[in-house]
Amino acid sequence: EAEVAQSPRYKITEKSQAVAFWCDPISGHATLYWYRQILGQGPELLVQFQDESVVDDSQLPKDRFSAERLKGVDSTLKIQPAELGDSAMYLCASSTSGGAYEQYFGPGTRLTVT
Amino acid sequence: AQKITQTQPGMFVQEKEAVTLDCTYDTSDQSYGLFWYKQPSSGEMIFLIYQGSYDEQNATEGRYSLNFQKARKSANLVISASQLGDSAMYFCAMRLDSNYQLIWGAGTKLIIKP
Repeated sequence: EAEVAQSPRYKITEKSQAVAFWCDPISGHATLYWYRQILGQGPELLVQFQDESVVDDSQLPKDRFSAERLKGVDSTLKIQPAELGDSAMYLCASSTSGGAYEQYFGPGTRLTVT
Repeated sequence: AQKITQTQPGMFVQEKEAVTLDCTYDTSDQSYGLFWYKQPSSGEMIFLIYQGSYDEQNATEGRYSLNFQKARKSANLVISASQLGDSAMYFCAMRLDSNYQLIWGAGTKLIIKP
């Protein structure tokens, strides 16, 4: 069964360092999402791509976060510099048809900033 | 305002009993979708069931059913014959058909007792 791949699964970094997360969506899924989930809360959308274009990044802290999906397939989310408050689970999801149907999630990257 | 409310932060249920997880939503849109996801302690978000706002019959998927009461704006998840593996966080989410983004509830932590 096709799955969304994410790496790394766990990342520990010191504050002020740069960190990057990678996501490979299910083949053929044009819509890709990055979420941040703080422990005990629901996911918060950071950025949504349709193919290689950003559809919504209104909740992305653009002073330190960046996201790209250059060829409309896999995607990278970067944080530079990392802050203590960035400690969270970062989830990637993909969907067909612009998100009209269910989103399929990867295993997530658990980030700890020390 | 678009909002999802899950009023049960946590629930304990005896194995093999049925369990109902509450979800109410608020939207002025006529077209929307409602989802339930399961998140085990490992972190991945697993899609369980979907109900469209125009669907007249309640959705069912194996042991999961969605009790959709449109007039009351509720979309409760019912798990029949609960199993130990059902212990997890459960999130209700609403998709707005204006932008296909998901609005998430805060989740309910379900613990199944042997």
